[in-house]
Amino acid sequence: LAKTTQPISMDSYEGQEVNITCSHNNIATNDYITWYQQFPSQGPRFIIQGYKTKVTNEVASLFIPADRKSSTLSLPRVSLSDTAVYYCLVAPYSGNTPLVFGKGTRLSVIA
Amino acid sequence: KAGVTQTPRYLIKTRGQQVTLSCSPISGHRSVSWYQQTPGQGLQFLFEYFSETQRNKGNFPGRFSGRQFSNSRSEMNVSTLELGDSALYLCASSLPPGEKLFFGSGTQLSVL
Repeated sequence: LAKTTQPISMDSYEGQEVNITCSHNNIATNDYITWYQQFPSQGPRFIIQGYKTKVTNEVASLFIPADRKSSTLSLPRVSLSDTAVYYCLVAPYSGNTPLVFGKGTRLSVIA
Repeated sequence: KAGVTQTPRYLIKTRGQQVTLSCSPISGHRSVSWYQQTPGQGLQFLFEYFSETQRNKGNFPGRFSGRQFSNSRSEMNVSTLELGDSALYLCASSLPPGEKLFFGSGTQLSVL
């Protein structure tokens, strides 16, 4: 499984756009990039998944450059309720190995 | 559609006891995974079941075991509890294994 590296923590003010970058230098050809969000005392929640270029949904955007060695989760106009831990995962779409979560990025949104 | 249901939500046990945690996946999901989460180690994979068969197992001692029933419901058991077993135990289900995971709210286990 490709190893991922992301910042341990980030701070942002309400209303700002937040970009969290994940590095995955040894991503494999059949790997997808998936982001999860976790609030305290709850299980992680799927946010977005992509393979290349840009993916957007009602919650976030995911930018993946051509070499796919990194990806950036973009949260538009964050609010206090976006304070959470964000995990970047790299794995085959439907593989035989379990999903491994790293330490994630703790985002703190300040009023 | 109901989400992943884990019971109980909170549990307090003493060292040496054993505990069984339950997980009901989303209807139609046949794959169930279990994770342990602690402040120091983060989210660690325990095991994964698909169609009543264990497909993968994480690096945990044999005191941790699990099973899956024909209706896809799963249980995990921890025997001879240790203080270090205090953690949030999370269950996740997916359609086929390895796809998008849907997590329950977890069982918070405290070992005294």
